[in-house]
Amino acid sequence: GAVVSQHPSRVICKSGTSVKIECRSLDFQATTMFWYRQFPKKSLMLMATSNEGSKATYEQGVEKDKFLINHASLTLSTLTVTSAHPEDSSFYICSARPTGNYGYTFGSGTRLTVV
Amino acid sequence: QQQVKQSPQSLIVQKGGISIINCAYENTAFDYFPWYQQFPGKGPALLIAIRPDVSEKKEGRFTISFNKSAKQFSLHIMDSQPGDSATYFCAASRGNAGNMLTFGGGTRLMVKP
Repeated sequence: GAVVSQHPSRVICKSGTSVKIECRSLDFQATTMFWYRQFPKKSLMLMATSNEGSKATYEQGVEKDKFLINHASLTLSTLTVTSAHPEDSSFYICSARPTGNYGYTFGSGTRLTVV
Repeated sequence: QQQVKQSPQSLIVQKGGISIINCAYENTAFDYFPWYQQFPGKGPALLIAIRPDVSEKKEGRFTISFNKSAKQFSLHIMDSQPGDSATYFCAASRGNAGNMLTFGGGTRLMVKP
């Protein structure tokens, strides 16, 4: 089945630094990947849609300059949290689905803690 | 605008009982309705999904019931087990690959031994 690998699973960074999270589709090509943010005991909130070879589409209220998304290949999308602050601490999850398949596969998530 | 409403927010069921979670959607363009199971600290995992051309789909102990006219769908977990304790999310999307999932608010299920 379709597998999405997300790395790292946990990261702690100092306030003001940048953190990069990788999302890879291991056995399929993904022209589109999605990045979500999830607060404790809450649902997944779509942050942006990552499009291979073009600019990402951000949801309303998501700062594109803070959450930089790069989808450089058909199997890799990265989310960079720039100048991180404690309020950026959250659980970030990516997802993708193979072309022609309705099923979305999610990565295992990244727990970001900004201290 | 919350396009997918999920209830209840939390649910406690005795082992062996039936867990029922309900969702309602607004956008009639949705044509794919999955349920995801999420354990703490993990990403959601697809449990079962249905398309609107059928009214019910069963996979093992998990059944989706779909009511297109009412724009509602539900998840039934038969013979609930403590290992089923997790958060469950319903979701909906349109068919094109570029369309994202719209999630319900989630239901925290606890199955007591």
